Amino acid sequence: GNSVTQMEGPVTLSEEAFPTINCTYTATGYPSLFWYVQYPGEGLQLLLKATKADDKGSNKGFEATYRKETTSFHLEKGSVQVSDSAVYFCALRGAQKLVFGQGTRLTINP
Amino acid sequence: EAQVTQNPRYLITVTGKKLTVTCSQNMNHEYMSWYRQDPGLGLRQIYYSMNVEVTDKGDVPEGYKVSRKEKRNFPLILESPSPNQTSLYFCASSTSWGRGPSYEQYFGPGTRLTVT
Repeated sequence: GNSVTQMEGPVTLSEEAFPTINCTYTATGYPSLFWYVQYPGEGLQLLLKATKADDKGSNKGFEATYRKETTSFHLEKGSVQVSDSAVYFCALRGAQKLVFGQGTRLTINP
Repeated sequence: EAQVTQNPRYLITVTGKKLTVTCSQNMNHEYMSWYRQDPGLGLRQIYYSMNVEVTDKGDVPEGYKVSRKEKRNFPLILESPSPNQTSLYFCASSTSWGRGPSYEQYFGPGTRLTVT
């Protein structure tokens, strides 16, 4: 079946670091892929998405590229800020649902 | 403002006392879904609904019920809650879930439930 695996957290970095949050997936075919972000005390918000191989999703300085060769969708940002502290979820579009990874908590210290 | 609302946001209850968590969306979405979020497990789907009067089980439906009598509402019912249902619950909705464009799912703010 479909599954998503994210890197273990938590991840703690200083401002202006260059984080990468790894995400790999197992799926039949080439499903759409998503990154959702959950800020403290809030629900999930769509951060970015890619609907086919080699697509790059981007938003708020974050980027992720749909790599079918490595079945990966790693999240990257050039320079983080304290306000990027959140839990990040990688997900794929399955049948009648999103399939989520376990989430990665990112903490950015000033 | 387009949104998904849930009530209550926080609830502490005792084993066996029936409860309902409400979910409402104002976007005329056909598809709605309930997820629970547990540490280390991400979000897992409980139930979903493709449209009014059409519901089906997700990955973890045991101990839950749902109904979809109106398009905007999708309540989650725990008829006899147990401590293993202590979790953070999210309702979500999207335009549809068929083939074609990948519609965004909009999530509610979450309901933190504790069953003692």
